[in-house]
Amino acid sequence: QKEVEQDPGPLSVPEGAIVSLNCTYSNSAFQYFMWYRQYSRKGPELLMYTYSSGNKEDGRFTAQVDKSSKYISLFIRDSQPSDSATYLCAMSALNTGNQFYFGTGTSLTVIP
Amino acid sequence: GAVVSQHPSRVICKSGTSVKIECRSLDFQATTMFWYRQFPKQSLMLMATSNEGSKATYEQGVEKDKFLINHASLTLSTLTVTSAHPEDSSFYICSARPTNQGQPQHFGDGTRLSIL
Repeated sequence: QKEVEQDPGPLSVPEGAIVSLNCTYSNSAFQYFMWYRQYSRKGPELLMYTYSSGNKEDGRFTAQVDKSSKYISLFIRDSQPSDSATYLCAMSALNTGNQFYFGTGTSLTVIP
Repeated sequence: GAVVSQHPSRVICKSGTSVKIECRSLDFQATTMFWYRQFPKQSLMLMATSNEGSKATYEQGVEKDKFLINHASLTLSTLTVTSAHPEDSSFYICSARPTNQGQPQHFGDGTRLSIL
């Protein structure tokens, strides 16, 4: 079993829709959770960074962590064509040292 | 926000050439930097973890002599692809993690390497 599972999509939504992206994980020691956005031929850009459980909101983006279910989500409200990209989840724990675990990425297309 | 600069962004060279890629953390110190390789429409594949002042840790299947990593300072790591061949053509991305525990990685914009 992989440490982190993420549906690769592709996901296609109309402009203005609410997008839900998800990852599940198996290691209960994970405490730090990240979402990255990667445009084609660019490096990943950090979107959201959360510690432990709960919600974090930044503009149109909300990150949600449910440690009891080992499940994290990224919600995008009022999606825009510029949100079309691949979204990667990542996580780490203090006891994994420098090691980060990435999902495979979900490809999102927002159609104007 | 934390900025990581990767240079060059694009390299095209002949088979047998050695290519050096630089990764710099511009506004923070990074004890640890990471080097990834990414094939089209695939996720990141960790190649090695670079620690300042010590030898890099390579992932299984990554040739140390082929991909030389140097992390001489807290803001600079380099990856040298030695005697590159067409199969080394790929998108190489570095990332850096601030020294503080629990901080996320910040990525460079990648280097597209094409070996003719």
